[in-house]
Amino acid sequence: TQLLEQSPQFLSIQEGENLTVYCNSSSVFSSLQWYRQEPGEGPVLLVTVVTGGEVKKLKRLTFQFGDARKDSSLHITAAQPGDTGLYLCAGEGEYGNKLVFGAGTILRVKS
Amino acid sequence: DSGVTQTPKHLITATGQRVTLRCSPRSGDLSVYWYQQSLDQGLQFLIQYYNGEERAKGNILERFSAQQFPDLHSELNLSSLELGDSALYFCASSLSGGIGSPLHFGNGTRLTVT
Repeated sequence: TQLLEQSPQFLSIQEGENLTVYCNSSSVFSSLQWYRQEPGEGPVLLVTVVTGGEVKKLKRLTFQFGDARKDSSLHITAAQPGDTGLYLCAGEGEYGNKLVFGAGTILRVKS
Repeated sequence: DSGVTQTPKHLITATGQRVTLRCSPRSGDLSVYWYQQSLDQGLQFLIQYYNGEERAKGNILERFSAQQFPDLHSELNLSSLELGDSALYFCASSLSGGIGSPLHFGNGTRLTVT
């Protein structure tokens, strides 16, 4: 069973601060996806990383896939209250199925 | 709006009962996934279908079953319900289910078993 550990579980920061969320596993994934979920809604895809060492930027969000494709990180620069939500990483198996989710990081950005 | 429709939004039922959750995937998507989300277990993969065929199975209990119909909509059947089955059940769809295919989630069905 492929397991993904996310840290931290909770993060409460002030507007304007930077933060990093980590997603680690002992398994190799064919791709790593990051989602954001708001209360009462389903997760929404932020980014997919496929190549080891890949870095993708989405405005103030920077995503990195580890060289060995076992870990990933999400860095948010100058966090804003609108960034508040549950951030989930998800690893994809070898054949593109069975997307396994981490437990998530609850982020609260205070103004 | 993800384009994935789940019904009903809320369901309250008693232990021992059986319920059916319905999912209409995004137009053009062939693959459907079912996930269970609870506070203590997070988002757990249950099962995936691709164009009517089962493709992958996760932590799905024997009391649960699913299928994808020729029109690509899917149903998740939960029987002999227990209190611990109370959770949010999400359906997601993707174009092909291949590597890197983004998943589009519905807004879930909240099941409460009393």
